[in-house]
Amino acid sequence: AQRVTQPEKLLSVFKGAPVELKCNYSYSGSPELFWYVQYSRQRLQLLLRHISRESIKGFTADLNKGETSFHLKKPFAQEEDSAMYYCALSGVRGSTLGRLYFGRGTQLTVWP
Amino acid sequence: DGGITQSPKYLFRKEGQNVTLSCEQNLNHDAMYWYRQDPGQGLRLIYYSQIVNDFQKGDIAEGYSVSREKKESFPLTVTSAQKNPTAFYLCASSIYGGVAETQYFGPGTRLLVL
Repeated sequence: AQRVTQPEKLLSVFKGAPVELKCNYSYSGSPELFWYVQYSRQRLQLLLRHISRESIKGFTADLNKGETSFHLKKPFAQEEDSAMYYCALSGVRGSTLGRLYFGRGTQLTVWP
Repeated sequence: DGGITQSPKYLFRKEGQNVTLSCEQNLNHDAMYWYRQDPGQGLRLIYYSQIVNDFQKGDIAEGYSVSREKKESFPLTVTSAQKNPTAFYLCASSIYGGVAETQYFGPGTRLLVL
């Protein structure tokens, strides 16, 4: 069965420190992976997706198929990065096609 | 912002009452989704629709119903059979509902039980 696990409910770092938000997934096959972000009083929005191989706001995420992980990283955290981050998996076949499966989220706080 | 609107922002339900949450999009997207967001639970899919007049159950469809009579509208009804309806409800849309598509979210409706 498909599952997304974000082991950290809360994560705090100081400004300028590196940050890594962990995400592990379970899926029979090669799913597409995403990170969505929800800033305070804003809508949930896409941060980045694996298929685009992009870096958004200094964040990157590498897909490790061996470890079934898609951790989100930023070398120097900023206060404006404080938000709730959700890892999500998109099914690629059958009844899971196009559906998003979300992790429980990690609340990141960046202290000044 | 814009593109997907949800109303009302807050909704109060009495015991035994059905309530309907509105979701409208002007993005010309074929696919629309309803999620329930609870603290510590992430987002869970209630229903989704990839084309007008067709929809599928998600993981937690019991106690909910939907309709998709128009491309731009996907209302969600929370019925009296839903015993724990207090939650934040998010509507989303994507172009076709295909693999790796970005989903665009509305601002949400918070449902509270009186």
